[in-house]
Amino acid sequence: LAKTTQPISMDSYEGQEVNITCSHNNIATNDYITWYQQFPSQGPRFIIQGYKTKVTNEVASLFIPADRKSSTLSLPRVSLSDTAVYYCLVLPPEGRKLIWGLGTSLAVNP
Amino acid sequence: DAGVIQSPRHEVTEMGQEVTLRCKPISGHDYLFWYRQTMMRGLELLIYFNNNVPIDDSGMPEDRFSAKMPNASFSTLKIQPSEPRDSAVYFCASSFGTGRPQHFGDGTRLSIL
Repeated sequence: LAKTTQPISMDSYEGQEVNITCSHNNIATNDYITWYQQFPSQGPRFIIQGYKTKVTNEVASLFIPADRKSSTLSLPRVSLSDTAVYYCLVLPPEGRKLIWGLGTSLAVNP
Repeated sequence: DAGVIQSPRHEVTEMGQEVTLRCKPISGHDYLFWYRQTMMRGLELLIYFNNNVPIDDSGMPEDRFSAKMPNASFSTLKIQPSEPRDSAVYFCASSFGTGRPQHFGDGTRLSIL
């Protein structure tokens, strides 16, 4: 099971773009990269998932380089409501066991 | 469509008591997961089911913990007897198929005095 490494915390200001990078050096060929967001007193919420290159949805973009040993979650123009913990996970397609780290605690300041 | 529903939202009880946490997964989902979250250890997978059958319970900390899924729409996590170190937020999640995102409930905040 691939482990991930991401910064413990980040600070930003409203309106800025935030990029959170995650490393997953031992990712396997068929693994997907998945990001979740968690607000206090709530369960984690799926944000975005990708396999390679770039994936974009209404919430975020996910950039994955060719070697897939890292990925970057990009949040455009953050607001105060984006203050949360963000988790990067590697998901094998055939198995369901995920290893959750402590995530990145993002604080968006006014 | 309703999300994953957990009950109770909060539970406070004395050590030694039996605690039962409940979960209703999203209709049609065939995987169900139980997690525990603490500040020190983060999110830990306790057990997961596929089509109501337990697949991996290696994360269950002790024999005091047990989980059942009698049908596709209901699961329980039981702790008997409970201890103060079991205090945590317990989450249930469900998903459809492999390689798909997991959908979480809002959790049960458990305090054992």
